[in-house]
Amino acid sequence: QVQLQESGPGLVKPSQTLSLTCIVSGASISNNMFYWTWIRQPAGKEPEWIGRASASGSANYNPSLKSRVTISLDTSNNQFSLELTSVTAADTAVYYCVRDYGDYRWYFDLWGRGTLVTVSS
Amino acid sequence: DIQMTQSPSSLSASVGDSVTITCRASQNILNYLNWYQQKPGKAPELLIYAASTLQSGVPSRFSGSGSGTDFTLTIRGLQPGDFATYYCQQSYSTPRTFGPGTKVDI
Repeated sequence: QVQLQESGPGLVKPSQTLSLTCIVSGASISNNMFYWTWIRQPAGKEPEWIGRASASGSANYNPSLKSRVTISLDTSNNQFSLELTSVTAADTAVYYCVRDYGDYRWYFDLWGRGTLVTVSS
Repeated sequence: DIQMTQSPSSLSASVGDSVTITCRASQNILNYLNWYQQKPGKAPELLIYAASTLQSGVPSRFSGSGSGTDFTLTIRGLQPGDFATYYCQQSYSTPRTFGPGTKVDI
């Protein structure tokens, strides 16, 4: 059974860097059928796609965040991570790590449970 | 970015009812449209992908249709566990975008 589990600090100060890790079990992140994705959801709002990366080295980011975001894969530990720099209160949200699966269409078939990150001094 | 809209934003229904949710894309996305269900405090779960393909394990009372810019999610015979928020999402291009959601409650 494939599982994704987010970890990282729940509180980040404004202007600092938000760093989260997603540990993947039951599937290899080296499989090029998948993109490994971060999605966030502010309270009461729809999910927002942050970006994705694959083991092939391909990565895409939301233009609204692109200058602040890095998603990287650690294939030796089967995990991937998110770094978001210069955070503000607007970055407060539940952050999900997600598998984006593509056979002939792409879709988010597996989600972590999510972790709440609050940006506050 | 492709903008997604949904209607209605919320609806009230009863167990056993059938409901239909509409999703519209700001441009032609062929059938690159997915539907998710989210319950309070939980992650979204995939219901339907490619506009009409039921994800494994999802009950057949859920169905999806549409192509181009207009799509629908229909739930026939609402069950207590179906009261949730439903989101559409396009996978035609990046950035991936979600609709604002439709809350189905009693």
